[in-house]
Amino acid sequence: NAGVTQTPKFQVLKTGQSMTLQCAQDMNHNSMYWYRQDPGMGLRLIYYSASEGTTDKGEVPNGYNVSRLNKREFSLRLESAAPSQTSVYFCASLGEQGFERSYNSPLHFGNGTRLTVT
Amino acid sequence: RKEVEQDPGPFNVPEGATVAFNCTYSNSASQSFFWYRQDCRKEPKLLMSVYSSGNEDGRFTAQLNRASQYISLLIRDSKLSDSATYLCVVIEEDDKIIFGKGTRLHILP
Repeated sequence: NAGVTQTPKFQVLKTGQSMTLQCAQDMNHNSMYWYRQDPGMGLRLIYYSASEGTTDKGEVPNGYNVSRLNKREFSLRLESAAPSQTSVYFCASLGEQGFERSYNSPLHFGNGTRLTVT
Repeated sequence: RKEVEQDPGPFNVPEGATVAFNCTYSNSASQSFFWYRQDCRKEPKLLMSVYSSGNEDGRFTAQLNRASQYISLLIRDSKLSDSATYLCVVIEEDDKIIFGKGTRLHILP
């Protein structure tokens, strides 16, 4: 029962390089999210996906693309990394309505990716 | 723009004291409310769900006031291990999740 698996845990990129952050959940959740967190800031939503094949922009989408090819996986791509994208990235999935959301933890997080762009 | 506001703190509180946080939200149609705890920029972990009827779990009490659009968290008999950042989380009607910026709590020995 892995929950949300996020890879890699750490990454260092040079400005202009590209990379994809991978996220997968095994709980059959519809909704998945990508957040970034900077020092002294809360979690800011980059993109989210309410279901397979759909994605929507969040608060800070510029410089990122996402892909939700199936229900399990939601990837985040940086096409041309910039130092401003140095951050900790969290993937999350949301439990369905009802018991799971009301009484259990509604949000399941990955362990985070610590990305440094030099 | 839909927002969730929290006092960032830090709250520096002696061990054994009682401390309370509030969080306000702007969207009256918001569906669900939670308090999460985050340590050292690790992934947030659920502390409590928040209901209009109130929710108590040991030393922790959470309350939702829909009329005034705020939620509260009360920690009694605070422990050193309570030192963390507490995040207010609101789930909108379209499943968009909004986080407050967090309130930092330091429990002093």
